[in-house]
Amino acid sequence: LAKTTQPISMDSYEGQEVNITCSHNNIATNDYITWYQQFPSQGPRFIIQGYKTKVTNEVASLFIPADRKSSTLSLPRVSLSDTAVYYCLVRGSARQLTFGSGTQLTVLP
Amino acid sequence: NAGVTQTPKFQVLKTGQSMTLQCAQDMNHEYMSWYRQDPGMGLRLIHYSVGAGITDQGEVPNGYNVSRSTTEDFPLRLLSAAPSQTSVYFCASSPHSGTSGGAYEQFFGPGTRLTVL
Repeated sequence: LAKTTQPISMDSYEGQEVNITCSHNNIATNDYITWYQQFPSQGPRFIIQGYKTKVTNEVASLFIPADRKSSTLSLPRVSLSDTAVYYCLVRGSARQLTFGSGTQLTVLP
Repeated sequence: NAGVTQTPKFQVLKTGQSMTLQCAQDMNHEYMSWYRQDPGMGLRLIHYSVGAGITDQGEVPNGYNVSRSTTEDFPLRLLSAAPSQTSVYFCASSPHSGTSGGAYEQFFGPGTRLTVL
């Protein structure tokens, strides 16, 4: 299973765009990249998933370069309620999700 | 739909006691899994199931048993509780296991906070 590396923490201000980068140098050909969000005392919640190039949904965008060794989660115009831990996961056919330590995003007023 | 439900929400055990954490989903999902999350850490996979009657070990299976007799239920048993098992336990389900690649969205329950004294 590919290991992921992401910053431990990030601070941002309300209304700014936040980019969280994840490194996954050993990603396999059939691996997808998935991001989850977790609030305190809650289970993680799926945000977005992609394989290559760019994926966008109503919450976020995911940018994946051609070599797929990294990915960037982009949160447009964050608010205080976006304060959470964000996990980057890489998964293929192994039927397992491996969560790293995640990135604690703190949005300041 | 209730989604993924877990009971109890909180539990305190003494060392050596056994108990079962309950997990149920009403979405007819094939794939179910159990994670534990220690303070300030990410989630670690304990056991998972790709369908009724099929279970497999995850990253940290020791001290835990699971069974999957129905699609809906996936209980986690602690055989002889130890202080090292103090953690928050999350159950999750997904429509499929993604055996051909790709990661299907997992839906997580609210968690069970377990303390072992």
